[in-house]
Amino acid sequence: GQNIDQPTEMTATEGAIVQINCTYQTSGFNGLFWYQQHAGEAPTFLSYNVLDGLEEKGRFSSFLSRSKGYSYLLLKELQMKDSASYLCAVMDSNYQLIWGAGTKLIIKP
Amino acid sequence: GAVVSQHPSWVICKSGTSVKIECRSLDFQATTMFWYRQFPKQSLMLMATSNEGSKATYEQGVEKDKFLINHASLTLSTLTVTSAHPEDSSFYICSATTSRQSPLEQYFGPGTRLTVT
Repeated sequence: GQNIDQPTEMTATEGAIVQINCTYQTSGFNGLFWYQQHAGEAPTFLSYNVLDGLEEKGRFSSFLSRSKGYSYLLLKELQMKDSASYLCAVMDSNYQLIWGAGTKLIIKP
Repeated sequence: GAVVSQHPSWVICKSGTSVKIECRSLDFQATTMFWYRQFPKQSLMLMATSNEGSKATYEQGVEKDKFLINHASLTLSTLTVTSAHPEDSSFYICSATTSRQSPLEQYFGPGTRLTVT
């Protein structure tokens, strides 16, 4: 079966760095996405990785290792507004997004 | 950027009634639209995929007679929850794409919060 695993909840301090991990097992691979979702809102796109390596975009970076079925989202200089759920999703061979359950990130002052 | 709207943003209805949710792509033509459901503290669950002018493809376990999907034009898809029950209360999100083979071109609507009393 297809499976996406990520931690349920993480806590970090304002101004610090946090890494959210995601491991996956899917039928085929057409890329891995990270989305941010604030409570009661739809997901918003953060990053897309299809090749191995690190993609940096401002305070957010995303890493992919296809051989290990592993990705992480790195958030730097954390701000209170970064408190949200972070969803890892993999697009499988049918171009269908398979979603992780999300990681709730709590930022403390 | 591409914008997808949903209407209504929230709705409360009585058990046994039907509710229609609209999903519109405002500035692009969506060949494919996806309908998701999300229960509290859970991830998005794909309910169905609809292509303009054809019948929707439902995921396993989703009742097609209960969740009616119509994709009559390239900018509008509707989801009708028929004979709603309290267990149908959820957050319903649509997304739209111009091409399923272009992974980045999938845009999400703001979601509709349905509460069935």
